[in-house]
Amino acid sequence: DAGITQSPRHKVTETGTPVTLRCHQTENHRYMYWYRQDPGHGLRLIHYSYGVKDTDKGEVSDGYSVSRSKTEDFLLTLESATSSQTSVYFCAISETGGVGYGYTFGSGTRLTVV
Amino acid sequence: SQQGEEDPQALSIQEGENATMNCSYKTSINNLQWYRQNSGRGLVHLILIRSNEREKHSGRLRVTLDTSKKSSSLLITASRAADTASYFCATDEANSKLTFGKGITLSVRP
Repeated sequence: DAGITQSPRHKVTETGTPVTLRCHQTENHRYMYWYRQDPGHGLRLIHYSYGVKDTDKGEVSDGYSVSRSKTEDFLLTLESATSSQTSVYFCAISETGGVGYGYTFGSGTRLTVV
Repeated sequence: SQQGEEDPQALSIQEGENATMNCSYKTSINNLQWYRQNSGRGLVHLILIRSNEREKHSGRLRVTLDTSKKSSSLLITASRAADTASYFCATDEANSKLTFGKGITLSVRP
């Protein structure tokens, strides 16, 4: 999707290993979000950022950490991957935090923890 | 916890028919948004309706909002096979983050 890229697109990792997913934007938007999508659960917010070094937890933040050292990059780290973290992870960006305008989503990262 | 709950969970219609999807939510909102997701892709923003609006149109899309009933509906008129996708409602509670429902799977048969 234009202006936002996620990497990697696919990853298989072993239980117990750390994993970092990257979200990169070229829109200079203030807000960035990490969601996970699982069958039967829709999208659930993991963490979000409202500025450089300003982050907050979402509803499913346990086992995840994030960092945002510059406007364009938002990293999601699984400290020690577990099988329950097998999911599709989406990054989203927003200029206004959802006020008046929608989010722009990346194409997703499919993570499999074996 | 999920704020929006879409209904039905799945919908199958013939090309050319209208598709109506509903969303109910629990708390006060600033606005409500609808998104589409094609298989294997990210979500795409379709339309946003503010809490002080009752109806909005965009091309073949019509969305309504009833804040007294805490519900919204998305109507897609004259559906096409290309409309086959999952549709999500999302609510903005004025806290800088959207809460999504579980989605509706729409299948449009040619």
